[in-house]
Amino acid sequence: DAGVIQSPRHEVTEMGQEVTLRCKPISGHDYLFWYRQTMMRGLELLIYFNNNVPIDDSGMPEDRFSAKMPNASFSTLKIQPSEPRDSAVYFCASRDRDSYNSPLHFGNGTRLTVT
Amino acid sequence: AQSVTQLDSQVPVFEEAPVELRCNYSSSVSVYLFWYVQYPNQGLQLLLKYLSGSTLVKGINGFEAEFNKSQTSFHLRKPSVHISDTAEYFCAVSPYGQNFVFGPGTRLSVLP
Repeated sequence: DAGVIQSPRHEVTEMGQEVTLRCKPISGHDYLFWYRQTMMRGLELLIYFNNNVPIDDSGMPEDRFSAKMPNASFSTLKIQPSEPRDSAVYFCASRDRDSYNSPLHFGNGTRLTVT
Repeated sequence: AQSVTQLDSQVPVFEEAPVELRCNYSSSVSVYLFWYVQYPNQGLQLLLKYLSGSTLVKGINGFEAEFNKSQTSFHLRKPSVHISDTAEYFCAVSPYGQNFVFGPGTRLSVLP
């Protein structure tokens, strides 16, 4: 089991550019979550999917943010255009389908810096 | 809606001393409770979880937590900490296994 895989690990971009973060969940997990972590706000849930369908996107900060899950093994989080205040660590996590009380498994995160 | 409070943002403790990290939660429905640990530049890892049954749960690395329904608390304890326990610890609740709501975290610093 390779765990949840996120890419890239680090991303530095200029304000106004498009940023795409990628996530591969653990095989067989059908819940996928995107979190953002900052010093000021801690861990914030952005959006989560069940069976590739977005269930709750109320945490997505603005229309500049969008997330997709085209299949069970891949998800993207896109920011367009990016702004300095988007600088944070973005985590992807997945959860087992068969156990409603199973824990989240996190990736190592993508550290985004927008200058 | 659910919320999680971790009153201590930072806890310094000497090596081999006991430690308790506090967690209180608020929820109008039943929840499952979790503690996660985050080491520098890594994602969160599960320490332990409470689903039902015995209110004292044991996790990895010698940690344990006690669920207190009347006080809506789920405090994390370790009788003797090591330098390697230095990390950030997050308490989380999950209503019916759906979403997870995390607390703000407690940074544990173990001093030699």
